Amino acid sequence: AQKVTQAQTEISVVEKEDVTLDCVYETRDTTYYLFWYKQPPSGELVFLIRRNSFDEQNEISGRYSWNFQKSTSSFNFTITASQVVDSAVYFCALSEAWRGSNYKLTFGKGTLLTVNP
Amino acid sequence: EPEVTQTPSHQVTQMGQEVILRCVPISNHLYFYWYRQILGQKVEFLVSFYNNEISEKSEIFDDQFSVERPDGSNFTLKIRSTKLEDSAMYFCASKGGSTNQPQHFGDGTRLSIL
Repeated sequence: AQKVTQAQTEISVVEKEDVTLDCVYETRDTTYYLFWYKQPPSGELVFLIRRNSFDEQNEISGRYSWNFQKSTSSFNFTITASQVVDSAVYFCALSEAWRGSNYKLTFGKGTLLTVNP
Repeated sequence: EPEVTQTPSHQVTQMGQEVILRCVPISNHLYFYWYRQILGQKVEFLVSFYNNEISEKSEIFDDQFSVERPDGSNFTLKIRSTKLEDSAMYFCASKGGSTNQPQHFGDGTRLSIL
């Protein structure tokens, strides 16, 4: 069975601080995808990034960066120079990726990030 | 960019009543999903639908739930006799046929059972 653990329930930072959201996953699959979603107070799920299990390269997109380490089954997310608009719940998720799977997503419990001015 | 659309955005229903949540997936997608999020909790998988049939369902998806894709464009979730604990945000998602295509989510329907 797949499992995603986000140990940080809530994080509060002051604007312009860097913040890292942790994600640890469990799966028996050798091929899988990892995701981060943002859920602002309005409630919708905003896709941020998807990472294939074969690709351990870190990725940077503007103020966002992701650190995927297969050896520790972690897929951490860092926001640099945080802004008030970054305040949201962030979910890490895992999906099967083998041919014939359903590709269903297993989500972590989420981390509530509050960025204070 | 194509979107998954869900209607209504908010549904208020009396306990015991039937409710139908509607979704229009992205037109050339092949995989369809419903997820549920109870307030303040994580997003949970309910059911996946592929090739005109349920491909997988979770323990949550009991006999009170059903899904249909009646006309090739809509994808509906029906709850036959709602309970208080069905109050949640329900998200529809769809995905293209290639392995490397991500799921696209709708904005959700907030279901409130009174």
